[in-house]
Amino acid sequence: KAGVTQTPRYLIKTRGQQVTLSCSPISGHRSVSWYQQTPGQGLQFLFEYFSETQRNKGNFPGRFSGRQFSNSRSEMNVSTLELGDSALYLCASSLVWGRDYGYTFGSGTRLTVV
Amino acid sequence: SQQGEEDPQALSIQEGENATMNCSYKTSINNLQWYRQNSGRGLVHLILIRSNEREKHSGRLRVTLDTSKKSSSLLITASRAADTASYFCAAGGSNYKLTFGKGTLLTVNP
Repeated sequence: KAGVTQTPRYLIKTRGQQVTLSCSPISGHRSVSWYQQTPGQGLQFLFEYFSETQRNKGNFPGRFSGRQFSNSRSEMNVSTLELGDSALYLCASSLVWGRDYGYTFGSGTRLTVV
Repeated sequence: SQQGEEDPQALSIQEGENATMNCSYKTSINNLQWYRQNSGRGLVHLILIRSNEREKHSGRLRVTLDTSKKSSSLLITASRAADTASYFCAAGGSNYKLTFGKGTLLTVNP
């Protein structure tokens, strides 16, 4: 079965612009999480959605937002981009939220802000 | 701050040797997970151990969990060159929110 699909794979944006990243979870998975990975800060949790509701949120400014659709697909949006937002953004899906399940990660979207 | 902290930051061994990585975390957890990441790609889930478990095996992997010391270890036996990757522990805390450590870079030399 298809894995977690993230689009686009690469993105170059200018400071001040906004960007939307997309994530399609594994079929049947209803929980989607987002992470930001940078060399300096490592993997930082952004947010997690289950049944179209945000269940967990990390310590990121309000410029970072997300949502989940009824088909479990998820998008995250970053507005007013800053140079420091350059990172690999990873999406992960799991069968449900609130249980002891592992997550399946996508290959990520590499965002470069210039 | 990171919930999980791996030790060592980097480990270089010869093929066939065992590799041990340690992880410490700060608050109470529901589970502790280990993931592998090959250079710049997505993470691969290796194993999950619940807070009421002490040891778990999966193939060449052995994970231990000591909740009194808030620590876990991952042992990879008979390492192969293909095991070269970064290994992360992730603490599943309250609300099952996963918090990752900064990882151990394992290099297995042929």
